[in-house]
Amino acid sequence: ETGVTQSPTHLIKTRGQQVTLRCSSQSGHNTVSWYQQALGQGPQFIFQYYREEENGRGNFPPRFSGLQFPNYSSELNVNALELDDSALYLCASSPRPDRGPADTQYFGPGTRLTVL
Amino acid sequence: DAKTTQPTSMDCAEGRAANLPCNHSTISGNEYVYWYRQIHSQGPQYIIHGLKNNETNEMASLIITEDRKSSTLILPHATLRDTAVYYCIASYSGAGSYQLTFGKGTKLSVIP
Repeated sequence: ETGVTQSPTHLIKTRGQQVTLRCSSQSGHNTVSWYQQALGQGPQFIFQYYREEENGRGNFPPRFSGLQFPNYSSELNVNALELDDSALYLCASSPRPDRGPADTQYFGPGTRLTVL
Repeated sequence: DAKTTQPTSMDCAEGRAANLPCNHSTISGNEYVYWYRQIHSQGPQYIIHGLKNNETNEMASLIITEDRKSSTLILPHATLRDTAVYYCIASYSGAGSYQLTFGKGTKLSVIP
């Protein structure tokens, strides 16, 4: 158990809709990263939030956006959903934004999003 | 992050050692080798990491070749619960190192 929680567990949306996914980070961790994992692929980095601001971003369009709150919890928002957005969305927390050798990211169980 | 190459799948008999190879021939001097695993329908779980020396913890051992171009993750006594996808990641640490770059990993099946 890592202490990182995500909600909801599963979600079904239709194309064009908007979705919000939520993540509570592990106690003491101030940094949250989001990953998208398509079926049969490894997780792909979307972005990271540190001190309530985006701190780095992968190759994802602007319709993927996020928020981080003062208690370090986070939301991932996806607008104008497309069929290819169907995936497992993973949240990972870490104790700081850059990674010392001994630092690791602790992942939550993920939210399975299906876009019809 | 340096590119890593892993076999797509491997089988291992329960109770035997599982040896998972990873090639990272373009790794730079300040990049660490990390191993994560993902059990079906769960988030990835950190296993171990290393730079030059061999490392061991309660989960596994990591053997890195002297030229650092490849490594092997060893699960000494594999159990059915070790069935998972194992990811090898070569990544530097320090300022700006905020993301992990995952490949497709190796699907390890532990056979009774």
